[in-house]
Amino acid sequence: SYVVTQPPSVSVAPGQTATIACGGNNIGSKSVHWYQQKPGQAPVLVVHDDSDRPSGIPERFSGSNSGSTATLNISRVEAGDEADYYCQVWDLNSDHVFGGGTKLTVL
Amino acid sequence: EVQLVESGGGLAQPGRSLRLSCAASGFSFNDCAMHWVRQVPGKGLEWVSGISWDSKSLDYVDSVKGRFTISRDNAKNSLYLQMTSLRPEDTAFYFCAKDSQKYYDGSGYFDSWGHGTLVTVSS
Repeated sequence: SYVVTQPPSVSVAPGQTATIACGGNNIGSKSVHWYQQKPGQAPVLVVHDDSDRPSGIPERFSGSNSGSTATLNISRVEAGDEADYYCQVWDLNSDHVFGGGTKLTVL
Repeated sequence: EVQLVESGGGLAQPGRSLRLSCAASGFSFNDCAMHWVRQVPGKGLEWVSGISWDSKSLDYVDSVKGRFTISRDNAKNSLYLQMTSLRPEDTAFYFCAKDSQKYYDGSGYFDSWGHGTLVTVSS
C-alpha cells in the first residue's frame, strides 16, 4: 500500500513562513491535495493538484511537488492559520490516501 | 452554497448495524462523485468509501470491505453508508465529502465536506 508521511508538528512565529512536508515514493508523479482542519471543524481544501488554490483561499497558501516530497507553504503566518494540515493523494492500488497530519502551532 | 449534512450516527453495539445519510444541496449532486471519510477523535483522516455519479464505480478501504455498503439516490440528493458487523475500531466521526469530479477515477479531490456524524461502537 502507498504510504504518505508528514511531520507530526511544525511551529512558526507570526509573520514567518511555515513549511509542511508530505513524503511518499515518487510522490512527484502524483497530484497532491492539502486540507486544513481546525479543532471541532470539518476539513477545508486549501490547495489542490499540487499548487492550485480554491477560490477564497488566500494567496499566502502555496504548494509544490517534486521527487519524493510535496510541500505546503504558508507565508506571513497568522494566528488563525493554527490547525492540522493533511496531504492526500490517489494511488491506483491504495485508492485515496491521507498523510497522518501535521499540527501547525503559531508561537 | 454547497451544504452537506450527515445524520444517522450514534451508539451501536459490536456486531450491529447503522445507516448514515448525507443530504446534499447547493450543487448539482448527480454531477459529482461522493465519498465517506472518517476520523477517530484526536486522530487523522481515513478515506472509507467512494461512489461515482452514476453508482457504477465504487470502492472501499480494505478494513470495511464486505461490511459497509455505499449508495446514493440522485433523485433525493442523498448519499448513504450502510454499516454492518460494526467493530469498536469503526468508532469515529464520519464525514461526507464531495468529489471535484464526476467519475471515480482518482483525478478528483474533496472540495467540500460536511461537519460529520459520530459513530460509537461499544457494548
